[in-house]
Amino acid sequence: EPEVTQTPSHQVTQMGQEVILRCVPISNHLYFYWYRQILGQKVEFLVSFYNNEISEKSEIFDDQFSVERPDGSNFTLKIRSTKLEDSAMYFCASTPGRGSNQPQHFGDGTRLSIL
Amino acid sequence: RKEVEQDPGPFNVPEGATVAFNCTYSNSASQSFFWYRQDCRKEPKLLMSVYSSGNEDGRFTAQLNRASQYISLLIRDSKLSDSATYLCVVKGPDMRFGAGTRLTVKP
Repeated sequence: EPEVTQTPSHQVTQMGQEVILRCVPISNHLYFYWYRQILGQKVEFLVSFYNNEISEKSEIFDDQFSVERPDGSNFTLKIRSTKLEDSAMYFCASTPGRGSNQPQHFGDGTRLSIL
Repeated sequence: RKEVEQDPGPFNVPEGATVAFNCTYSNSASQSFFWYRQDCRKEPKLLMSVYSSGNEDGRFTAQLNRASQYISLLIRDSKLSDSATYLCVVKGPDMRFGAGTRLTVKP
C-alpha cells in the first residue's frame, strides 16, 4: 500500500535555527497537509496545500512557518528561528482530492526537538 | 467549548469486552467524520469513516447524530491489539482532532 514518507524521523536543532521537514506524499495525491502534535496533546492542523499554494492555514501557522513543493515529489515545512515550544511531532498527510469525505493518510512523523 | 470533545479515559477493559467511546463537536457545518487510532508516539491511522446512517466494519461500529453533534464508536469483542488512543476527527473544511480516548485491553 502506498505510504506518505517523512524525513528525518528525528531532528534536533538549536533554538533560533531554521529547520526544514520533508515529506513525500502518495504519488497520485493532490492535496497535502501538515499537522503537529506536542507531546501529550492533541493533533493540531497547521496548513493545507494544493496546486502550489496554501488552501487553508490555522492560527498556529504564522510568519515563522512556510511550505513549499520544490519539485514533483517533495512537500516541505520550513520553520524559521525555531523556539522551544516548536518541539513536537510533525505529521504530513495527503489526499487524492479535496472531497470532504476523503480521509487523510499520515506519514509516520518527524520528531522535532529544539534545544 | 472545545471544537471536538472526547472523554480522555483511560478505559481499562478485559479481553472480549464491549467498549463505547463518545465524541461531541461544536461546528454544525462539519462535513465529514472519522475515527483514527494512534499508538504511542506513532502517527494517526484511519480506523473508519463515520456515515450518517451508521456503519460497521467487523467488530467496530460507528454512529453519527448530526442533530446532537455527537459521534460514537463501539468496539465489540475487544482484543489486546485494540489498545491505543482513539481519535475523533471532524472535517469542515480542515481536520479537527479530539484529544483522544485511551483504551487498554487487558488479558
